[in-house]
Amino acid sequence: GAVVSQHPSRVICKSGTSVKIECRSLDFQATTMFWYRQFPKQSLMLMATSNEGSKATYEQGVEKDKFLINHASLTLSTLTVTSAHPEDSSFYICSARPQGEGNYGYTFGSGTRLTVV
Amino acid sequence: RKEVEQDPGPFNVPEGATVAFNCTYSNSASQSFFWYRQDCRKEPKLLMSVYSSGNEDGRFTAQLNRASQYISLLIRDSKLSDSATYLCVVNDPRPSGSARQLTFGSGTQLTVLP
Repeated sequence: GAVVSQHPSRVICKSGTSVKIECRSLDFQATTMFWYRQFPKQSLMLMATSNEGSKATYEQGVEKDKFLINHASLTLSTLTVTSAHPEDSSFYICSARPQGEGNYGYTFGSGTRLTVV
Repeated sequence: RKEVEQDPGPFNVPEGATVAFNCTYSNSASQSFFWYRQDCRKEPKLLMSVYSSGNEDGRFTAQLNRASQYISLLIRDSKLSDSATYLCVVNDPRPSGSARQLTFGSGTQLTVLP
């Protein structure tokens, strides 16, 4: 089945620094990838849609200058949390879907737990 | 109003019990519906899709009522390993016209007790 690899799985960083999270589709090409954030005891909230070769589409309320998304190839999307602050501490998950899977087959990365101290 | 609403629980049931989860969605244009399972500190994993005619997968039965915009999940003969958070998920068209995207409910927590 389709596999999405996400790294790192866990990161602790100091306030004010930047953190890059990678999401790779291992056995399929993904023109679109999705980035979610999940706070404790809450559901996944879509942050942005990453589009290969073009600008990402951000959801309302998500700062595009703070959460930089790059989707330079058909198998890799990155999310960079710039100038991270403790309130950015969360579980970040990416998702992708192989072409031709229609509405099914969304595969999730294993997530990145970010702690900003 | 939330786009996808679920009873957060928690549901604490004994092994072997039958438990039902409910979910409502607000967008009448939604076309695809799913139940995902999420274990603590893990990514969500697809449990089953939900079809209009209702569908069953082993001990799990999903139902969809489009008129009421209501989705349900029934778990029979619950096992300890069923303990998890169950997410009701809807695939919606987006105003921007971009690819359809998943909208998650806040999840219902289930604990199956020995």
